[in-house]
Amino acid sequence: DTEVTQTPKHLVMGMTNKKSLKCEQHMGHRAMYWYKQKAKKPPELMFVYSYEKLSINESVPSRFSPECPNSSLLNLHLHALQPEDSALYLCASSQEGSLPPTDTQYFGPGTRLTVL
Amino acid sequence: AQSVTQLDSQVPVFEEAPVELRCNYSSSVSVYLFWYVQYPNQGLQLLLKYLSGSTLVESINGFEAEFNKSQTSFHLRKPSVHISDTAEYFCAVSKSGATNKLIFGTGTLLAVQP
Repeated sequence: DTEVTQTPKHLVMGMTNKKSLKCEQHMGHRAMYWYKQKAKKPPELMFVYSYEKLSINESVPSRFSPECPNSSLLNLHLHALQPEDSALYLCASSQEGSLPPTDTQYFGPGTRLTVL
Repeated sequence: AQSVTQLDSQVPVFEEAPVELRCNYSSSVSVYLFWYVQYPNQGLQLLLKYLSGSTLVESINGFEAEFNKSQTSFHLRKPSVHISDTAEYFCAVSKSGATNKLIFGTGTLLAVQP
């Protein structure tokens, strides 16, 4: 099973809403990632969790709050987003997340977020 | 700082023709190189990767890429494309010695026409 699942597939929210994105993998991977991808652009790394600890935060605004409740789950809590936050949010996982960075990252299908 | 350059934003090609998608990287240290493919409305899938050893790497669906250290390139090739190969292709690099980060190029849209 090399699948990373993400829910929901689509999400429309207002600027005052609170919502969460969910990501799950059952490959025994110990590193999980959140990326943001705008249309016609490459993915941009937001957060990396390694062994359930936040190891990288790419200066993401605090209106995005990641959470890793266990080694299989990764959440992204959203609050007071702006319209420019509308994008495809991709989750990925890899085996170790440690050095050297040779791990293959497996991506989920993404959640398409629209902020009104 | 290291970076990845994909000079071609779009490559139109006819079905059954050969194609090359270009990728150049800049780095002063050892790198690991990846090609990912993104079909419309989907996430990214690993196509192939170079970590060490043979400089020519192949994927199961007919793509291949060659690591050329002197030219700092990792171009992706396929001798005969299909309509189903239409997708966005991203070259990416991760750097030895860094935390586990992938740096993506800007992507190349391969548009296969009948």
